[in-house]
Amino acid sequence: GAVVSQHPSWVICKSGTSVKIECRSLDFQATTMFWYRQFPKQSLMLMATSNEGSKATYEQGVEKDKFLINHASLTLSTLTVTSAHPEDSSFYICSARDPRPNTGELFFGEGSRLTVL
Amino acid sequence: LAKTTQPISMDSYEGQEVNITCSHNNIATNDYITWYQQFPSQGPRFIIQGYKTKVTNEVASLFIPADRKSSTLSLPRVSLSDTAVYYCLVATGRRALTFGSGTRLQVQP
Repeated sequence: GAVVSQHPSWVICKSGTSVKIECRSLDFQATTMFWYRQFPKQSLMLMATSNEGSKATYEQGVEKDKFLINHASLTLSTLTVTSAHPEDSSFYICSARDPRPNTGELFFGEGSRLTVL
Repeated sequence: LAKTTQPISMDSYEGQEVNITCSHNNIATNDYITWYQQFPSQGPRFIIQGYKTKVTNEVASLFIPADRKSSTLSLPRVSLSDTAVYYCLVATGRRALTFGSGTRLQVQP
């Protein structure tokens, strides 16, 4: 089946640095990918929709200048957390929709755990 | 987007059947109902999807009444490895999925 892969699976960084997380669709093309954030014991929260070749669409309350999203190819979307602070520590998960028609399934990556010291 | 309501948590024992019900009173005509499973520190995993009546696959069954205002995920003979959070989602087409609080299922020996 279709697979979505994220890298890195975990990262620790110092406050003020930037961190890039990659999301790849391994065996299918994804014109749209979705980025979620999940804090401990909480549900997934949609951050933004990444569109290949155009600007991402951010959810209300998500700072677009802080969470930079680039979707430069049909198989890769990247999320860059700029000037990271401890409150940005979270589990970031990307997803892409099954390209087959008449299915609504989302394929999720393994997640990337960010810890900002 | 249709809002979903699920029990926060459920407990069961190995070998039992577990039924998790989700309410989605304002489901739209074109919305599908999808259930995902999530283990700690992993991305959610698709379990089953349906539009109406009953759907069954190798891991679960999904029961949807005629009014579609609720749905029930049925897990037959659960094992310890089924301990996870289960999310019910309702959406149409290509839109992103909005996750509710989910149901934390704890299976005990």
